[in-house]
Amino acid sequence: NAGVTQTPKFQVLKTGQSMTLQCAQDMNHNSMYWYRQDPGMGLRLIYYSASEGTTDKGEVPNGYNVSRLNKREFSLRLESAAPSQTSVYFCATHRVPETQYFGPGTRLLVL
Amino acid sequence: GQSLEQPSEVTAVEGAIVQINCTYQTSGFYGLSWYQQHDGGAPTFLSYNALDGLEETGRFSSFLSRSDSYGYLLLQELQMKDSASYFCAVRDEAGFQKLVFGTGTRLLVSP
Repeated sequence: NAGVTQTPKFQVLKTGQSMTLQCAQDMNHNSMYWYRQDPGMGLRLIYYSASEGTTDKGEVPNGYNVSRLNKREFSLRLESAAPSQTSVYFCATHRVPETQYFGPGTRLLVL
Repeated sequence: GQSLEQPSEVTAVEGAIVQINCTYQTSGFYGLSWYQQHDGGAPTFLSYNALDGLEETGRFSSFLSRSDSYGYLLLQELQMKDSASYFCAVRDEAGFQKLVFGTGTRLLVSP
């Protein structure tokens, strides 16, 4: 089992470009999450999805959109990238009662 | 609002014992989790305490005191590979399966 996978691993964008970060899980978990982590910081929640067909904003949703395509896949879209969105992005799933499983991350640099 | 406080950095030598503290403020408490993250890697789940007391898993133990809004992670027989960042986390006050993470404690283990 692959667990949680993310693509791409690395990406460089120019300001104003758009891109979609992909996440897929094979653990059959209902809940999925997108976090960002900035240097020396903890994880901040961007969006989450409690189940297929539902999404909701987290702590830092501005500048992002998400799609829960099916139970396995949860994508994060940057419509017009800004340097402030330079970060490491992690996708995660949740297993009750309280365990989250993280993907390997996408390192994004916006110039 | 919710907040978690951890020391930013802790240093120790191989074979020693180290304790990483976490104090939290939250109106709805469902338990305290700990995650480990090596440089360049993804967070991985270590432990979860829903009730007061000590939970032991090999060299790692986690403690919770709900009356003091306080917990700690205890690492024994430190090894070089334990050098990493450690994050405590609590569930979001709304109660759904969203976690709020502390800013992390960087542990440096020296020979």
